[in-house]
Amino acid sequence: AQSVTQPDIHITVSEGASLELRCNYSYGATPYLFWYVQSPGQGLQLLLKYFSGDTLVQGIKGFEAEFKRSQSSFNLRKPSVHWSDAAEYFCAVGGSRTNAGKSTFGDGTTLTVKP
Amino acid sequence: DSGVTQTPKHLITATGQRVTLRCSPRSGDLSVYWYQQSLDQGLQFLIQYYNGEERAKGNILERFSAQQFPDLHSELNLSSLELGDSALYFCASSVEELDNEQFFGPGTRLTVL
Repeated sequence: AQSVTQPDIHITVSEGASLELRCNYSYGATPYLFWYVQSPGQGLQLLLKYFSGDTLVQGIKGFEAEFKRSQSSFNLRKPSVHWSDAAEYFCAVGGSRTNAGKSTFGDGTTLTVKP
Repeated sequence: DSGVTQTPKHLITATGQRVTLRCSPRSGDLSVYWYQQSLDQGLQFLIQYYNGEERAKGNILERFSAQQFPDLHSELNLSSLELGDSALYFCASSVEELDNEQFFGPGTRLTVL
């Protein structure tokens, strides 16, 4: 069965500092991987996705993520955090082509940005 | 704005009652997904419909049911409500049946008293 682990429940960084949010997945085949962001009271917004090809994926809002098959990881990074990045971040692994709807989400990492 | 709309935004009801949550997908999207987000369970996939037919099922209780109508909007029906059903319910949509890129609506917050 597929699973996603986000080891950090809460991370605090200073504005302008770099950010890395960790995500580890368990999946039998090549996974579809996603990062979503959820601001308070809002739905989830897709930041970026990995399906295949280049393992370094660029997303919106200056975010990027790197797929590392050997480590079963898909960590999210941003070189310089802005106060507006404070939100909850979810990593997700999508299903195979036979169960695409069964995406599995991690428990989320809450990001706090200090001024 | 993802283009996915959900109504109502908030819903407060009592135990034992039945409610219906509505979702309109993005224009052109044929797949609709329902998720439940609660503090203790996190974000859980409930069910997926594609062009009116059920395609995938997740952790959906028997007291819950859903359907997708010919105009592609979807409804999630929750019956015999319990306190533990209090949660945020999200709808998402995608273009294809097997398209993993989903666009989420703003959610319906259900409070069961």
